[in-house]
Amino acid sequence: DAGVIQSPRHEVTEMGQEVTLRCKPISGHNSLFWYRQTMMRGLELLIYFNNNVPIDDSGMPEDRFSAKMPNASFSTLKIQPSEPRDSAVYFCASSPQGGLSYEQYFGPGTRLTVT
Amino acid sequence: DQQVKQNSPSLSVQEGRISILNCDYTNSMFDYFLWYKKYPAEGPTFLISISSIKDKNEDGRFTVFLNKSAKHLSLHIVPSQPGDSAVYFCAAGQAGTALIFGKGTTLSVSS
Repeated sequence: DAGVIQSPRHEVTEMGQEVTLRCKPISGHNSLFWYRQTMMRGLELLIYFNNNVPIDDSGMPEDRFSAKMPNASFSTLKIQPSEPRDSAVYFCASSPQGGLSYEQYFGPGTRLTVT
Repeated sequence: DQQVKQNSPSLSVQEGRISILNCDYTNSMFDYFLWYKKYPAEGPTFLISISSIKDKNEDGRFTVFLNKSAKHLSLHIVPSQPGDSAVYFCAAGQAGTALIFGKGTTLSVSS
């Protein structure tokens, strides 16, 4: 298997622009997680889905952030409008177990820079 | 408030010696603990885990120890190798909730 695929790997955008990050989980995995990594806060969970349904989005920082999972093989994380403080590495992870699996498989991340 | 804390942002060890990475947690309901390793420009990868019913789990050069009374776990790497140089994340979880990660400890193993 190719593992979790994320695109783009790097994104540079100007403040106020819309940013869409994409994720393809490992086939057969039914849980998907979006994380953000910063120096100050480490690795934070933003939202997770189980069987394509959002279960907990309490980690989403504000209304500018939204995530969707239209099917089992694709998810997006959108920031609109983007701000410089959104600059971070965003990871997607998937898990083969139902509910909240403990072992997660991470993608390579998208490094977002908002100027 | 952080429920999972890795108080040492970095650790330097010589090749062949033991590396000990520490992690503290506050939530006594956590029933599973994991360590992930992360290389630059890659996502974290699962390394080793331990259930709260155990106090030790070993996998090759890697051993995780859990002290529930102290709410503390540690990862021992023996012997340390230059390829072990990476960021190590401690994570904890309980049934019905998502994993909570620490901020990570950067391990540097010099040859």
